[in-house]
Amino acid sequence: GQNIDQPTEMTATEGAIVQINCTYQTSGFNGLFWYQQHAGEAPTFLSYNVLDGLEEKGRFSSFLSRSKGYSYLLLKELQMKDSASYLCAAMDSNYQLIWGAGTKLIIKP
Amino acid sequence: GAVVSQHPSWVICKSGTSVKIECRSLDFQATTMFWYRQFPKQSLMLMATSNEGSKATYEQGVEKDKFLINHASLTLSTLTVTSAHPEDSSFYICSASNGEWSEQFFGPGTRLTVL
Repeated sequence: GQNIDQPTEMTATEGAIVQINCTYQTSGFNGLFWYQQHAGEAPTFLSYNVLDGLEEKGRFSSFLSRSKGYSYLLLKELQMKDSASYLCAAMDSNYQLIWGAGTKLIIKP
Repeated sequence: GAVVSQHPSWVICKSGTSVKIECRSLDFQATTMFWYRQFPKQSLMLMATSNEGSKATYEQGVEKDKFLINHASLTLSTLTVTSAHPEDSSFYICSASNGEWSEQFFGPGTRLTVL
């Protein structure tokens, strides 16, 4: 079956760095997405990886290893506004997004 | 980035009534639109995928006669929740893409409360 695993909740300190891991199993693979979702709002796009390696975009970076079925989202210089849920989603061979349950990130001062 | 709007943002209705939610892509042509439902503290659950001009493809367990989807144009899709019941209360989110493998752009969501 198809499956996405990511931690349910993480806590980090303002100004620090946090890494949110995601492992996936899908029928075929057409890329890995990370979305940010604040409470009561729709998800917003953060990153897309389809090739192995690290993609850096400002304070956020995303890494992919296709052979390991593994990705992580790295957030640097954490700010209070980064408190949100982070959703990992893998696109399968039918171009369907398979969603993880999301990781709730709590930022403490 | 591409903008997707949803209307209404929130709706409260009585049990047994029908509710229509609109999803519009404002600055691009959406060949595919997706409808999701999200219950509190849970992930997005895909309900159906619709391509312009054709019937929607529903996920297993989603009643197509209860959740009517129309994708009549490249910029508009509608979801109608027929004979809504309290258990249909949820956050409904649409997304749109302009290609098979491209990024999905999400609407702001519609919070439905059925009394």
